[in-house]
Amino acid sequence: DAGVIQSPRHEVTEMGQEVTLRCKPISGHNSLFWYRQTMMRGLELLIYFNNNVPIDDSGMPEDRFSAKMPNASFSTLKIQPSEPRDSAVYFCASSLAPRVFEAFFGQGTRLTVV
Amino acid sequence: GEDVEQSLFLSVREGDSSVINCTYTDSSSTYLYWYKQEPGAGLQLLTYIFSNMDMKQDQRLTVLLNKKDKHLSLRIADTQTGDSAIYFCAETPYNQGGKLIFGQGTELSVKP
Repeated sequence: DAGVIQSPRHEVTEMGQEVTLRCKPISGHNSLFWYRQTMMRGLELLIYFNNNVPIDDSGMPEDRFSAKMPNASFSTLKIQPSEPRDSAVYFCASSLAPRVFEAFFGQGTRLTVV
Repeated sequence: GEDVEQSLFLSVREGDSSVINCTYTDSSSTYLYWYKQEPGAGLQLLTYIFSNMDMKQDQRLTVLLNKKDKHLSLRIADTQTGDSAIYFCAETPYNQGGKLIFGQGTELSVKP
């Protein structure tokens, strides 16, 4: 298996633009997580899905952020409109419940909003 | 609330043992983990320990858990330059599914 695949690896966009980050979890995994990593706040859980259903989105910063999981093999995290303070590395991770502790992370998407 | 604290930096010489420490506040945590992040890469699960265990050993890695003091440590024996990375302690609070609460990460620098 290729592991968790995220795209793009790097994204530079202008303030106000819409940004879509993509994630393909490991085949067979039924839990998917979106994390954000910044110097100031470290690693924060934004949202996680179980069997394609959002379970906890309390970490989503505000209405500008939305996440979807239309099927078991694909998820998106969208920011609209983007702001400079959204600049961070966004990680997707997946695991197989109930062994959710064995989360496998993707390489991350480094987002820069200018 | 949930909080995980780590020291930010650790520097050791190649061949020495490294000990990275972590404290957490949520006594209901079921699992505690150590993840490794190399530059420009995602996080890699190194090892984990269930909350009813005191110690777990896996090759060069030893995890110690002191539940009374809510203290977790990771010892790396015979530290190599390839061990240089950021190490994150994390916990899973009880009954919160797969949610991981991470510490700030400890940057381990191994000098030859």
